[in-house]
Amino acid sequence: EPEVTQTPSHQVTQMGQEVILRCVPISNHLYFYWYRQILGQKVEFLVSFYNNEISEKSEIFDDQFSVERPDGSNFTLKIRSTKLEDSAMYFCASGKGSGEKLFFGSGTQLSVL
Amino acid sequence: GEDVEQSLFLSVREGDSSVINCTYTDSSSTYLYWYKQEPGAGLQLLTYIFSNMDMKQDQRLTVLLNKKDKHLSLRIADTQTGDSAIYFCAEGPYPYDKVIFGPGTSLSVIP
Repeated sequence: EPEVTQTPSHQVTQMGQEVILRCVPISNHLYFYWYRQILGQKVEFLVSFYNNEISEKSEIFDDQFSVERPDGSNFTLKIRSTKLEDSAMYFCASGKGSGEKLFFGSGTQLSVL
Repeated sequence: GEDVEQSLFLSVREGDSSVINCTYTDSSSTYLYWYKQEPGAGLQLLTYIFSNMDMKQDQRLTVLLNKKDKHLSLRIADTQTGDSAIYFCAEGPYPYDKVIFGPGTSLSVIP
């Protein structure tokens, strides 16, 4: 079965540094998402992306966050200046279209020190 | 607001049935889902049910929906050690868009 691939699986960074989390969605999918799960808490929606623009974002997704699909195959999440509270597991997901099931990646564990 | 709740832990013996329960608050939800997460893996969609259905069966899995009480359950028949994982209940107002997750139920299967 096709997979959503996320790299790296673990990322450790210093507070205030920029991080880029990378995802390769399934090749014929058109909708892309980022979710995150802080340890012990729920999986939370961050942002959805379609047709090269953000279609919806949550309150968490503030000016420190951005997403990009730079080359037609990768989908990235950038955190400009990381805070301690950004430490979480970040999941990328993709879907063929609205109404189609989402496929999730295995996540990137981000630790901000 | 939207909220999904689940019990956090469940332990069953191999061969028994497991029942994982979930409650949700958004009455406008169209779809309700069950995701499975094995250690180190992503979120795997196990099954889903439309809000106008009350039951769905798929091999060993049975989903029951009580829309009046906003209660969803997942029954796993003949539970195996390979079923040990975290099971997330989730809901969405749109088909597969902006899924709202519960906290997850950690299922432990005792051999």
